[in-house]
Amino acid sequence: DAGITQSPRHKVTETGTPVTLRCHQTENHRYMYWYRQDPGHGLRLIHYSYGVKDTDKGEVSDGYSVSRSKTEDFLLTLESATSSQTSVYFCAISGGQGNQPQHFGDGTRLSIL
Amino acid sequence: GDSVTQMEGPVTLSEEAFLTINCTYTATGYPSLFWYVQYPGEGLQLLLKATKADDKGSNKGFEATYRKETTSFHLEKGSVQVSDSAVYFCALKENDYKLSFGAGTTVTVRA
Repeated sequence: DAGITQSPRHKVTETGTPVTLRCHQTENHRYMYWYRQDPGHGLRLIHYSYGVKDTDKGEVSDGYSVSRSKTEDFLLTLESATSSQTSVYFCAISGGQGNQPQHFGDGTRLSIL
Repeated sequence: GDSVTQMEGPVTLSEEAFLTINCTYTATGYPSLFWYVQYPGEGLQLLLKATKADDKGSNKGFEATYRKETTSFHLEKGSVQVSDSAVYFCALKENDYKLSFGAGTTVTVRA
């Protein structure tokens, strides 16, 4: 299995609080991704990174920010959590070349009350 | 833009039945195609892939053939087991970084 660790695995918090999710990889892959998974929507890309300090928006980036200060770590921050951000969040990594797949972490279940 | 459409579920089967999950795609170039599987409470795992037309990906008894003429990548397994109960996602990768997913198909296999 690809070396991807997400933390925390579960979190419950209140509306309006900041939340940071961490993704750590041991594969030295260039690309890292954050997705959210919601019923009926499959996986939707929030943000991705193509190198240290190089990030870009995905299709559902509003309300989220990311940072990548080291190759191995990719942080997802909800500056002021809302109930609509209750979801399961997945981190993925990839070497990047076109035919290489993405490998996924085990997910973080986030509930915002 | 790129998109993937897969058959809606849920799909319920008996053990040893034949499984087909349809997947079609829209892309401007020549994408790589993937099937991922998600078991309850876990992340997505790569099941199989195909990188060019007429390629057949296979793994764990599952197969899918990249059909450019019909823009399809249907997943098949000849004899399912209870352990195949999961959510299956078809996905397309056209450039170096972006993966487009279908909505997922939930499969339940009954003993």
